[in-house]
Formats: sequence, C-alpha cells, structure tokens
Amino acid sequence: EVQLVESGGGLVQPGGSLRLSCAASGFTFSSYWMHWVRQAPGKGLVWVSRINSDGSSTSYADSVKGRFTISRDNAKNTLYLQMNSLRAEDTAVYYCASWAVAGTDWGQGTLVTVSS
Amino acid sequence: SYELTQPSSVSVSPGQTARITCSGDVLAKKYARWFQQKPGQAPVLVIYKDSERPSGIPERFSGSSSGTTVTLTISGAQVEDEADYYCYSAADNMAVFGTGTKVTVL
Repeated sequence: EVQLVESGGGLVQPGGSLRLSCAASGFTFSSYWMHWVRQAPGKGLVWVSRINSDGSSTSYADSVKGRFTISRDNAKNTLYLQMNSLRAEDTAVYYCASWAVAGTDWGQGTLVTVSS
Repeated sequence: SYELTQPSSVSVSPGQTARITCSGDVLAKKYARWFQQKPGQAPVLVIYKDSERPSGIPERFSGSSSGTTVTLTISGAQVEDEADYYCYSAADNMAVFGTGTKVTVL
C-alpha cells in the first residue's frame, strides 16, 4: 500500500523557516516525480513545487521561488521542502504527492501556520 | 504564469449530468488532469491526459478537450460525487491548478 506521511509543520513567526518532510513507502520512490501542493484554510489547491525522479530538475511557483527549496533523498525514500522567509500568506496545509502519468497518491498533509 | 478558470459552483440533481469547464491558454498545447476533493480529504485523480480515466474511477466520469477549454462530465451524478473539483495542467517548468468548482448534488 502506498503511504505518504508529511511532517514538520507547525507555528512559525513571519520571516522564519521550516523544513517539511514526506516519508514514502509502498512504491519505488526513486522512480517517481514528486510534488508539493498547498491549500489555505477554506481555499483551493495551489501547486508549489515539483522535483524529478533523481532530483536533478526542480521547478517552483512564482509565489515561492527564491524562498522555498524542494529536494529528495532516494536512499531514505523522503521528500523535503525547505521554507525560508515565511509570510502570513504561506499559511496552509501542505501536501506531498507522487506523480505518475496515470495516477497520483497524496499524503494527508501537514499544517503550516505563519503568525506572530 | 498560467491561469486556469473554472466556474465556482455547479448544481445537479441525482442521476442528471454535471459539466465542469476549465479554460486557459496552456490547455491548447498541454494535457489536463482533474482532481476530486471531498471535505477533510486529500485530492483524488479522476481524469488524466484530458480524457483518460485511472483505474478504479467510475465510468460516469469522463473528460474532453476543445481548444483552450477542457470539460469534466459526470453522467448520472451520484450523491457521493458531491465535492470540489480542480483541473490541473503543467508547462514550461510551471504547473497550475484551476480555481476549483464546488459540485452540489441535490
């Protein structure tokens, strides 16, 4: 069974940093592109970032470019999102998702709250 | 950046057909996906490559594409189809979700 478990969320002050992790199991993690998607309370899905299967290529939404960094450790079956210079508008549930042509799997999300 | 525009809400009676549109310039050259999200749950992929259905998704879900618009059709909508639906597409190192459509079945 595919499992994606996010962790690392919490309350952080504006300007602060957090690192999210996504532990993967039940599939060949190193073969899949991975994405981070966020959802502010009561709002829609927003794509944040993606990384290819070997970590050599990444891309970001304009709203996080230069502040967030996606990475992965295929030996540990883990995806990361380093978030710096956090703003109130970054407050959201952050989901990791494995991305294949004919299917996706999602974690249950981790809540990040940016507030003083 | 890219934008994908959806109607904010669609209402349908049980057994009737619901159609949700998604419009954006990127759709003229890139495939779309559709995701279903129920309250408190993670999204589920219901259509990929504009019109392909993943395994396990009921046949009542179908997709089509024309120019810069893609459409998700729920034929014979069921109460359990009540959810938020989002289109998605990606191009040129960017990706974007649509604005989302709340489907009410009553």
